[in-house]
Amino acid sequence: GAGVSQSPSNKVTEKGKDVELRCDPISGHTALYWYRQSLGQGLEFLIYFQGNSAPDKSGLPSDRFSAERTGGSVSTLTIQRTQQEDSAVYLCASSLTLQETQYFGPGTRLLVL
Amino acid sequence: GDSVTQMEGPVTLSEEACLTINCTYTATGYPSLFWYVQYPGEGLQLLLKATKADDKGSNKGFEATYRKETTSFHLEKGSVQVSDSAVYFCALNYGGSQGNLIFGKGTKLSVKP
Repeated sequence: GAGVSQSPSNKVTEKGKDVELRCDPISGHTALYWYRQSLGQGLEFLIYFQGNSAPDKSGLPSDRFSAERTGGSVSTLTIQRTQQEDSAVYLCASSLTLQETQYFGPGTRLLVL
Repeated sequence: GDSVTQMEGPVTLSEEACLTINCTYTATGYPSLFWYVQYPGEGLQLLLKATKADDKGSNKGFEATYRKETTSFHLEKGSVQVSDSAVYFCALNYGGSQGNLIFGKGTKLSVKP
């Protein structure tokens, strides 16, 4: 079946602009996760959803970051007023439940100029 | 807090050589342990996992044993191939509301013919 998909695959934006990153999880997966992969910080966890609910937003790097999930499916990560330090690969993963193996999408490579 | 430490890379081996990538962890509880692999230009894929002490995960000729006494989960392969060239990440999680993966920094493996 189809895996986790993310769009866009690449995004170049100017400092100060807002960006939206999209994740389509595997059908039927109730849990969804966002991670960020950068040279300096490695792979870091941002936020997870159980259904449409995000119980803990403390992993988001700043209040410029927000995420939502609708219909228990698609999720959007929004970064407002982007900064150069936001440049990274943003990875999405989904799992059947919170207990199960996470499957990753190909990521969105974000470059903030 | 919990963390994962991997050996620094890059690791360069000749084809058919033995591979060991060291991974140790610090954890407040009893996590599940994982090795993920990222091939060039591709997303993260689960390579193997172990959910409790003394469990051995294995896949594609790779093995790792969950050692609680040494808090380790070293990745081993008896004979590497050029196609094994990738970045390998050790990770842990607890599942449930602490299902987010905590990753090591990654170890780049290059296998020469």
